[in-house]
Amino acid sequence: AQTVTQSQPEMSVQEAETVTLSCTYDTSESDYYLFWYKQPPSRQMILVIRQEAYKQQNATENRFSVNFQKAAKSFSLKISDSQLGDAAMYFCAYRSPNTGNQFYFGTGTSLTVIP
Amino acid sequence: DAGITQSPRHKVTETGTPVTLRCHQTENHRYMYWYRQDPGHGLRLIHYSYGVKDTDKGEVSDGYSVSRSKTEDFLLTLESATSSQTSVYFCAIRVNTEAFFGQGTRLTVV
Repeated sequence: AQTVTQSQPEMSVQEAETVTLSCTYDTSESDYYLFWYKQPPSRQMILVIRQEAYKQQNATENRFSVNFQKAAKSFSLKISDSQLGDAAMYFCAYRSPNTGNQFYFGTGTSLTVIP
Repeated sequence: DAGITQSPRHKVTETGTPVTLRCHQTENHRYMYWYRQDPGHGLRLIHYSYGVKDTDKGEVSDGYSVSRSKTEDFLLTLESATSSQTSVYFCAIRVNTEAFFGQGTRLTVV
């Protein structure tokens, strides 16, 4: 099974500053999908951004962008101009096009935004 | 809104009793998943389904069973609940490339 590692259990950032959350994964597959999900205190899981492995260009969604390094199996999330509403647990996830299309999740990074 | 709902949202049950959680989708998505979320473990896959009556085990399937007799419903059953099954349970569906989640069920086994 693929493994997803988030080595930062907790992070903090000043409001309006930039923060980067790290994620690495282990796979022997060449084609796959990567995601970042946000879980605020409401518990709802919200998709933040998606990256297809065959695309070299890094995905961007407004203030959120990724740094996808396929050879290094690294997929970090950058949040620019951090807002109080960004405070949440963030999960990195991997989906294989094989093995039943399973989604594998990291253990999460809890982000605190300091006013 | 991917049209996915879980019931119940909260449940307290006694050790040794059977418990069934329901996941319902309003569209005809093929793939459905049950995860549990525990501090320090992230989300771990219990079981998943790739069609009616087609299911398979995930990494933490011991003590759980599932059924999918209709496309829209995916049931998770704890045959005899144990305290180690106290957790938050999430159902998800695959829509195109990504997963969409239900609101979660907080299950407490006392």
